[in-house]
Amino acid sequence: AQSVTQLDSQVPVFEEAPVELRCNYSSSVSVYLFWYVQYPNQGLQLLLKYLSGSTLVESINGFEAEFNKSQTSFHLRKPSVHISDTAEYFCAVSDPIGADTGRRALTFGSGTRLQVQP
Amino acid sequence: NAGVTQTPKFRVLKTGQSMTLLCAQDMNHEYMYWYRQDPGMGLRLIHYSVGEGTTAKGEVPDGYNVSRLKKQNFLLGLESAAPSQTSVYFCASCKRRTGSYNEQFFGPGTRLTVL
Repeated sequence: AQSVTQLDSQVPVFEEAPVELRCNYSSSVSVYLFWYVQYPNQGLQLLLKYLSGSTLVESINGFEAEFNKSQTSFHLRKPSVHISDTAEYFCAVSDPIGADTGRRALTFGSGTRLQVQP
Repeated sequence: NAGVTQTPKFRVLKTGQSMTLLCAQDMNHEYMYWYRQDPGMGLRLIHYSVGEGTTAKGEVPDGYNVSRLKKQNFLLGLESAAPSQTSVYFCASCKRRTGSYNEQFFGPGTRLTVL
């Protein structure tokens, strides 16, 4: 079974500063990687995903993540954060739960709370 | 489309009481999932279903039962609630697409407190 490690439980940062949220996963032959965001009192929303191809993936609101197979990492970065980015961020990896490769549940990390201060 | 909805949003139970959480999706998705979210532990899979009439255990199934009588609904039951089941419960669904990635869509969550 897959496992996901998010070493930083909280990351305080000032507005307009850069940020990196770290994510490492256990190795697997086939892996899909995701970042989800959870704003206060809301459900999870998909921020970005890596399925295959280019190792650098981007979201529409300026976040990017790079898949690094040798380091089994999928760190999330943003060059300049806004107050509105304050949320909890979850890294997740797909984990096959049956012979059908389409039956993929998600294994989540413990989350990183990003706190953007003015 | 409403997407994935969950009922109720909040609930307080006493130890030993029972209740059912309802998840509904209007996207005609085949797969549905129940997760629980606890501080410092992320989300953990309780049960899942790959189609109407089928259910299977996830990572933390003990103390819960599920049913998928209709494709659009996935029910999570607690027969005898315990304080350890105090958590936020999320339902998710996704479309079946063999051999390819299927994005999971999440509901807004149900906050359950067991006293």
